Amino acid sequence: KAGVTQTPRYLIKTRGQQVTLSCSPISGHRSVSWYQQTPGQGLQFLFEYFSETQRNKGNFPGRFSGRQFSNSRSEMNVSTLELGDSALYLCASRSGGSDTQYFGPGTRLTVL
Amino acid sequence: QKEVEQDPGPLSVPEGAIVSLNCTYSNSAFQYFMWYRQYSRKGPELLMYTYSSGNKEDGRFTAQVDKSSKYISLFIRDSQPSDSATYLCAMSGDGNKLVFGAGTILRVKS
Repeated sequence: KAGVTQTPRYLIKTRGQQVTLSCSPISGHRSVSWYQQTPGQGLQFLFEYFSETQRNKGNFPGRFSGRQFSNSRSEMNVSTLELGDSALYLCASRSGGSDTQYFGPGTRLTVL
Repeated sequence: QKEVEQDPGPLSVPEGAIVSLNCTYSNSAFQYFMWYRQYSRKGPELLMYTYSSGNKEDGRFTAQVDKSSKYISLFIRDSQPSDSATYLCAMSGDGNKLVFGAGTILRVKS
């Protein structure tokens, strides 16, 4: 089975812009979670989607949003980018009957 | 105080050594415990998963959970230079939202 894929792998944006990141889960997995990884804060949970519904949300401002499509692919959007949003954004997928999450390679976002 | 504490290291050991990596946690609701390995510029890779106290072994890796002490460990036997990576402990109360430790950088010298 192919693993979790994320596009693009690298992005450079400027402050104030918005960005959309994409994640394709492992085939058959219906749950997709997003995490932000920074050197200072480590890996932090953003939100989880299951069957197109947001089931769980972390402590991030409303500028961070996401959605999931009927084929389980998910997108994450960050509006009005700030310098502090520079991070590795990781997507993880999980099958409905399992507790184990499998991560993609991440999208490295740099905000200038 | 963070929910999950993990010494960031770096931890440097000679090839062949037994490595011990540890995390402590404060949330009694955590039921699921995982160890991930992350190489530079890659996503985390699941190494071990357990949901009960005790030991779980997989090849050179042993995961240990002590819920009474809120302490988990990962042991790596016969460590290899290819084991050099960042090791992240993660835990969850419901299997969905994972809470991660800071990660321990491990360097295995040949």
